[in-house]
Amino acid sequence: SQQGEEDPQALSIQEGENATMNCSYKTSINNLQWYRQNSGRGLVHLILIRSNEREKHSGRLRVTLDTSKKSSSLLITASRAADTASYFCATDQTSGSRLTFGEGTQLTVNP
Amino acid sequence: DAMVIQNPRYQVTQFGKPVTLSCSQTLNHNVMYWYQQKSSQAPKLLFHYYDKDFNNEADTPDNFQSRRPNTSFCFLDIRSPGLGDAAMYLCATKLWGRGLTDTQYFGPGTRLTVL
Repeated sequence: SQQGEEDPQALSIQEGENATMNCSYKTSINNLQWYRQNSGRGLVHLILIRSNEREKHSGRLRVTLDTSKKSSSLLITASRAADTASYFCATDQTSGSRLTFGEGTQLTVNP
Repeated sequence: DAMVIQNPRYQVTQFGKPVTLSCSQTLNHNVMYWYQQKSSQAPKLLFHYYDKDFNNEADTPDNFQSRRPNTSFCFLDIRSPGLGDAAMYLCATKLWGRGLTDTQYFGPGTRLTVL
């Protein structure tokens, strides 16, 4: 299986609810990033968490990282219909080179 | 605004007919990447340039080539597109160096259709 596996593959919630997506990976990392992709568009960087960090916040986003379990979660609070998109985690195993993306979670927020 | 631009946004080609996709950036980033993304899948790195140094992924088919004539531009050449090459092609850039963030900046992508 691939570095950076996400679950669930698809998540459908109502506006105002919180959405939680999880990412697991296999090898040691330098950092882990979350990206968002609207349908048919490029990816937009949301947040980066380094391997020595455990939690990070940015607006309605909260990311946690557990390096002992090789997992991360992305929480979107008070979701909005405009949050509907695919969300990808990406791991950077060696600083300065490449990212390995997970398969993504398709989030649908119903108005 | 500084950004990553991809042209065209949609490209239709015929089976076996060479095609070139273009990426330009106004960010003055030293690293440029090309990804292939098939429907409902993760982006897959094809290759990247660090300045003029070309780095090919081991499983990137020989059918895919790239050129970076200068800092601002990078091209993806598909020499003989097959039906399996139909995908979204994403260009990304990064400013790499000690102490800098590892964020990649993506263009909007080019959707390639092979008939």
